[in-house]
Amino acid sequence: AQTVTQSQPEMSVQEAETVTLSCTYDTSESDYYLFWYKQPPSRQMILVIRQEAYKQQNATENRFSVNFQKAAKSFSLKISDSQLGDAAMYFCAYRRGNFNKFYFGSGTKLNVKP
Amino acid sequence: DTEVTQTPKHLVMGMTNKKSLKCEQHMGHRAMYWYKQKAKKPPELMFVYSYEKLSINESVPSRFSPECPNSSLLNLHLHALQPEDSALYLCASTDTGSKNIQYFGAGTRLSVL
Repeated sequence: AQTVTQSQPEMSVQEAETVTLSCTYDTSESDYYLFWYKQPPSRQMILVIRQEAYKQQNATENRFSVNFQKAAKSFSLKISDSQLGDAAMYFCAYRRGNFNKFYFGSGTKLNVKP
Repeated sequence: DTEVTQTPKHLVMGMTNKKSLKCEQHMGHRAMYWYKQKAKKPPELMFVYSYEKLSINESVPSRFSPECPNSSLLNLHLHALQPEDSALYLCASTDTGSKNIQYFGAGTRLSVL
């Protein structure tokens, strides 16, 4: 069974600093996708970044980047130059190939201190 | 356009009421989802429709009844709900092309009195 684990329920970072959120997953599949979603308080869940398992290169989107360690089944999110607007719940998610089901981690609440 | 639209945004209902939640997307996505989310928790999958057919039902109580009238619309009919059903209900759709991205609506915040 696929499981996604986020071991940090809550983290804090100073504005302009860098923070890394952890995610591990369990799968025996070779074709899968990994995602980080952001959900600000009382606002919509939006995609931050995605990674295809077959790609060795780590995905980046502006200040957001991932460290994808396939053998270790680890998929961490690094946020550089943190901004107040980055404060949110962050969910790591896994999707196997073209199967419709997404598996979500329990979430990490990120606080950004001015 | 990467929008999933949900109505209403807020809903208060009694345990004997019947109400419906609506979801719409015009991105051509052929998979649509209903999730239930409690505060500070991840979304819990309820139903998935693929090409307008119910493909996943996560053992949801029958007081929740999904409907997919066409490829752009998804409804969730509610009847005889319990107070513990109070939650944020999220609709989502998935790009079945190469990106495999799931897009979420803003949700309906439901309170059952």
